[in-house]
Amino acid sequence: DAGVTQSPTHLIKTRGQQVTLRCSPKSGHDTVSWYQQALGQGPQFIFQYYEEEERQRGNFPDRFSGHQFPNYSSELNVNALWLGDSALYLCASSLGERETQFFGPGTRLTVL
Amino acid sequence: QQQVKQSPQSLIVQKGGISIINCAYENTAFDYFPWYQQFPGKGPALLIAIRPDVSEKKEGRFTISFNKSAKQFSLHIMDSQPGDSATYFCAASLGTYKYIFGTGTRLKVLA
Repeated sequence: DAGVTQSPTHLIKTRGQQVTLRCSPKSGHDTVSWYQQALGQGPQFIFQYYEEEERQRGNFPDRFSGHQFPNYSSELNVNALWLGDSALYLCASSLGERETQFFGPGTRLTVL
Repeated sequence: QQQVKQSPQSLIVQKGGISIINCAYENTAFDYFPWYQQFPGKGPALLIAIRPDVSEKKEGRFTISFNKSAKQFSLHIMDSQPGDSATYFCAASLGTYKYIFGTGTRLKVLA
């Protein structure tokens, strides 16, 4: 049973660029949430996707956008990158109305 | 009101000892409280979770104690082992939606 997978593992970008991160949920899960974890901090909620729609959003600017595909996988897009976007980006999946979220290994984004 | 306050920031425990991490919240609408363990460079892994209608939950060496009136909950790790050395996060959620995480506790268990 495959857990949550994310790609790429690491990514280096320069300021102003755009980035796309990908997530495949745990088998059988239909809900995907994205979190940003700065070094030494707890994860911060970005948004959650269910049935291909954004269901809830955290306190992040519109530069952060996402998408969920019919197979429940998801993408996180960040435009106009700046230094403060450097973080570990975590994807978590869950099943419908169940609360438990399972996290992937994350994508380490470095913005230079 | 959306914050979850976690303490201590770091903790050093001898092998075989008890590790205790505390969290407090304000929003009484929170209805699910998970604890996650995270090793460096890895994603958080679910340890144990509790709902507010239960005062205690135990799974192996890990126990959550929940005090609804005080709006506090804690993680107890019994017989702590060097392999337990990691960062621990408490969280709170409203239904199926976003988790609000604490700031984390870095645990070191000495051999």
